[in-house]
Amino acid sequence: GENVEQHPSTLSVQEGDSAVIKCTYSDSASNYFPWYKQELGKRPQLIIDIRSNVGEKKDQRIAVTLNKTAKHFSLHITETQPEDSAVYFCAASTGNQFYFGTGTSLTVIP
Amino acid sequence: EAGVAQSPRYKIIEKRQSVAFWCNPISGHATLYWYQQILGQGPKLLIQFQNNGVVDDSQLPKDRFSAERLKGVDSTLKIQPAKLEDSAVYLCASSLVASGRASTDTQYFGPGTRLTVL
Repeated sequence: GENVEQHPSTLSVQEGDSAVIKCTYSDSASNYFPWYKQELGKRPQLIIDIRSNVGEKKDQRIAVTLNKTAKHFSLHITETQPEDSAVYFCAASTGNQFYFGTGTSLTVIP
Repeated sequence: EAGVAQSPRYKIIEKRQSVAFWCNPISGHATLYWYQQILGQGPKLLIQFQNNGVVDDSQLPKDRFSAERLKGVDSTLKIQPAKLEDSAVYLCASSLVASGRASTDTQYFGPGTRLTVL
């Protein structure tokens, strides 16, 4: 089955700096790569996603890049704010199977 | 729109007991997922339904876990008998179509059921 690895497991940045989280996947059939934000005690919320026919996607301060050849994708958050502090999960899907990464705990220091 | 509903929100049982969780997806969503999220880890997919059929249950421990979605709407997940390592949050999610199939495949999560096995 699919194996999704996520790095780093923890990340601390100063407010206003950028944060980058990276994921790799193993199944070349994966074609959908969402990112979720999960605040403590709450449900995961989709923040951005990308499909295999696109290399980059942006939504305000958040961007995701995909390198299908290398089987990795990354989340970029610019101008970080304290409310960005949460656990972020990447995921990969083939359409029939859905796998989450292990999570990155992001702390934005005011 | 109404979100994904789950009950109960919390459950405490002793090992070897049985427990059942219920999920009502967003109206019209054909795909339903059950995840297990152990503290400090990412959600692990247990089973995925497309209407009332199982798409993927490769990570479901079938000796003790079972799930059904008989009418293609709400679903129940059962654990019988429970073990200490089953302590986790059980998340239900639904999507209009299966993730990866189309642009309408965003998964929406319910609030989860926090299970503690003593």
